[in-house]
Amino acid sequence: AQTVTQSQPEMSVQEAETVTLSCTYDTSESNYYLFWYKQPPSRQMILVIRQEAYKQQNATENRFSVNFQKAAKSFSLKISDSQLGDTAMYFCAFMVGGGSNYKLTFGKGTLLTVNP
Amino acid sequence: DGGITQSPKYLFRKEGQNVTLSCEQNLNHDAMYWYRQDPGQGLRLIYYSQIVNDFQKGDIAEGYSVSREKKESFPLTVTSAQKNPTAFYLCASSLPQGQLNTEAFFGQGTRLTVV
Repeated sequence: AQTVTQSQPEMSVQEAETVTLSCTYDTSESNYYLFWYKQPPSRQMILVIRQEAYKQQNATENRFSVNFQKAAKSFSLKISDSQLGDTAMYFCAFMVGGGSNYKLTFGKGTLLTVNP
Repeated sequence: DGGITQSPKYLFRKEGQNVTLSCEQNLNHDAMYWYRQDPGQGLRLIYYSQIVNDFQKGDIAEGYSVSREKKESFPLTVTSAQKNPTAFYLCASSLPQGQLNTEAFFGQGTRLTVV
């Protein structure tokens, strides 16, 4: 079974600083997608960043970047220049499967608080 | 505007009653998913479907049922067999893995409370 583990239930960071959220996963598949989603207090899920497993280059989206270590099955999220609006629950997820059978699995989440 | 719509936003149910949560998407996505969210548990997969008239059980399917009669719609029924149904329910849809820019889009959720 595919699993996603986020080992940090809660984290905090000062505004303008950098923080890294950890995620590990377990799968026997070689082709899959990895995601980080953000859930602010409104509870609307928002895609932060996406990484295709076949791509060696780490994905970046403005202040957000990932460190994808395929052999170690690790997918951490780095948030630079943290802003108050980054306060949210962050979920790591991956999509795996082939043909017409694929599923999207989430970790338990990390609650990030950005302090002024 | 394209998107995924869940209704209602809040739902109250008496013990012993079945209740159906609605999920509709106009994104032309093949895959649809139902998740349950409880504090400290993350998002747990209830059911998912990749094509019309076919669906698979997720990790916590007991006490739930679904149908996929149309590509756009994937309703979830919470039956009286679900022992602890009070939770926040999220519906999502996506393109198949392998398509460019694959990602899951989410509805705004339904908060179900048993009274």
